[in-house]
Amino acid sequence: DIQMTQSPSTLSASVGDRVIITCRTSQSISSWLAWYQQRPGTAPNLLIYKASALESGVPSRFSGSGSGTEYTLTISSLQPNDFATYYCQQYYSYPYTFGQGTKLEIK
Amino acid sequence: EVQLVESGGDLVQPGGSLRLSCAASGFTFSSQSMNWVRQAPGKGLEWVADISGSSNTIHYADSVMGRFTISRDNAKNSLYLQMHSLRDEDTAVYYCAAAVLATFDWWGQGTLVTVSS
Repeated sequence: DIQMTQSPSTLSASVGDRVIITCRTSQSISSWLAWYQQRPGTAPNLLIYKASALESGVPSRFSGSGSGTEYTLTISSLQPNDFATYYCQQYYSYPYTFGQGTKLEIK
Repeated sequence: EVQLVESGGDLVQPGGSLRLSCAASGFTFSSQSMNWVRQAPGKGLEWVADISGSSNTIHYADSVMGRFTISRDNAKNSLYLQMHSLRDEDTAVYYCAAAVLATFDWWGQGTLVTVSS
């Protein structure tokens, strides 16, 4: 199985800050990586697919990059409704696996 | 508008069985692979199973292999998860999700399965 390691586990930031979340994989996944946002009590929401493609309707302050075994999600200027938990997920091979999540908190 | 609506979650005793359903609308259901993903209380996300549009290809997580069965009825735009030999660790919110550009593009609201005596 491909192991996913997200960092940090918790991130405290303020509205307007630029934040970066990192996801490392135990083997190359050739950019078959997605990022999801989950607010409490709701289903996850797809933000980024194929490492850097922005899902339709997702604000442009979200961006993804990376290759091989290291990927990042960047939020350029935090807005109040961005405070949530973020997950990376690989779909290079079965079983599909998720990172453990990064909880983005208000400082 | 895409809609995925799960149902069937309940309180069940260890060793029991349960069948979850997911009703889909707003897209060509038969063209999309479908997934079940679960989330234990306060925990992260875990992929459970997927099924291709034609039901030709199915995959399971090791944790549910041999106990859970995924299926679909394209005529009814519905996805199912039959669960047997349920364990405490199967307690979770179960989401159905459609694969379009990634693997989990569209999600339902989830249905809660609680395994407890």
